[in-house]
Amino acid sequence: AQKVTQAQTEISVVEKEDVTLDCVYETRDTTYYLFWYKQPPSGELVFLIRRNSFDEQNEISGRYSWNFQKSTSSFNFTITASQVVDSAVYFCALSEETGGFKTIFGAGTRLFVKA
Amino acid sequence: GAGVSQTPSNKVTEKGKYVELRCDPISGHTALYWYRQSLGQGPEFLIYFQGTGAADDSGLPNDRFFAVRPEGSVSTLKIQRTERGDSAVYLCASSEATGGQTGELFFGEGSRLTVL
Repeated sequence: AQKVTQAQTEISVVEKEDVTLDCVYETRDTTYYLFWYKQPPSGELVFLIRRNSFDEQNEISGRYSWNFQKSTSSFNFTITASQVVDSAVYFCALSEETGGFKTIFGAGTRLFVKA
Repeated sequence: GAGVSQTPSNKVTEKGKYVELRCDPISGHTALYWYRQSLGQGPEFLIYFQGTGAADDSGLPNDRFFAVRPEGSVSTLKIQRTERGDSAVYLCASSEATGGQTGELFFGEGSRLTVL
């Protein structure tokens, strides 16, 4: 069965610090997709990134970077030089072939960035 | 509009009443999902439609919950005999992914249900 664990419930940093949000997943499938979503205080979930199981290349997009390691079943998200606007709840999610590709979310990590 | 639209945005009802929540997905998106989010929790999967049919309804908590998508576009989540534990934000998402692929989900703003 698919499962996503985000062990960090809340993280608080000061602006300009780097922060890494951890995500560990469980799946027996060889074909699956991993996602990160952001939920700002306004409430609407916003897609950040999708990664398929056959592509372990790390990705960088501006201040955001993602580290996908199949050996440890992890898909961690790093924000470099954090800003107050990064304050939100971040969700890691998994979609697997056996599960019909329904997307399952972790419990989320609430990030507070203080000025 | 261009995004996923959910109505009502807020619904307050009494225990035992019947509730309908509506989702209008992005035009052309074949996949539609319903999730439930309680305070401080991640979205909990309820049901997933591919076109008109429910591809996976394994997340519906019990037979008081039912969802339809008769024409493959708008979907309605129906809750009978509401209970206080049903109070949550009900999220709808749509995706253009089909046939073994899975794309990003586009979420609506949610319908906040409060059962008194």
